[in-house]
Amino acid sequence: GESVGLHLPTLSVQEGDNSIINCAYSNSASDYFIWYKQESGKGPQFIIDIRSNMDKRQGQRVTVLLNKTVKHLSLQIAATQPGDSAVYFCAENTFASSGAGSYQLTFGKGTKLSVIP
Amino acid sequence: EAGVTQSPTHLIKTRGQQATLRCSPISGHTSVYWYQQALGLGLQFLLWYDEGEERNRGNFPPRFSGRQFPNYSSELNVNALELEDSALYLCASTPGQYNSPLHFGNGTRLTVT
Repeated sequence: GESVGLHLPTLSVQEGDNSIINCAYSNSASDYFIWYKQESGKGPQFIIDIRSNMDKRQGQRVTVLLNKTVKHLSLQIAATQPGDSAVYFCAENTFASSGAGSYQLTFGKGTKLSVIP
Repeated sequence: EAGVTQSPTHLIKTRGQQATLRCSPISGHTSVYWYQQALGLGLQFLLWYDEGEERNRGNFPPRFSGRQFPNYSSELNVNALELEDSALYLCASTPGQYNSPLHFGNGTRLTVT
C-alpha cells in the first residue's frame, strides 16, 4: 500500500549547524503535509505544514521543501540547538475512506535528531 | 489556551482485561483522532470522531472502540487486552476544517502484562 517513509532513521549534528531531515511519500494524491517533533515522554508537536500548491514554506528557524516531481519532503532546521533533539515525523494527508470530506494523517516511522553540544 | 489533555498518563492492565482511556480536545475543536504508537514504530491511525459520530477507523480489530460525548471529549475502550496492545495511545483534535493540523496530547502509556 501507499506509505510515507524516511531516508535516514538517525541524524547527528553539531550545535549551530543546519539540519536536514528527509521524507519520501508515495501517494501522489496527497495534498497536505505536516512535520511533527516528538520529545521523549510527550506527544507529537506541530512544527510546520505545507500544501501541495506550494514548494517551500518557512517558519521560525525551520523550512519545509516539497518536491512533487519526485515525491520528496524535507525539513531544514537552521542553527540547530540542543532543544531540537527529538524524533521528527513527516505525515501526509490521506482522504478518509468514509467520504466525509476530512482527512487522516499517515505518519512515517520518524528520524531521531541528536544535537552534539 | 489548554491543549489536548489525556488521562490517565499511565495504565497497567493484565491480559484479558478492559482499558478505558480519556481525551479532552482543545476548546472549540470538534474532531478527535486516536492513534497507537507502539515502541519503535510510527503512529498508527485508530479512530476518528467528529460531532459525536465515528467517521472512520483504521485497521484494528473491533475490540478497539470508542465514543465522543456532546462536549466533544472522547473515550477509547480496548477490550480483551492482549500483550501487543502495550503502546502509547495518543489523542489529537482539530477544529474539523480540511487541511488543518492535528494537535496532540501527551498520550496514555498502556502496559499489558
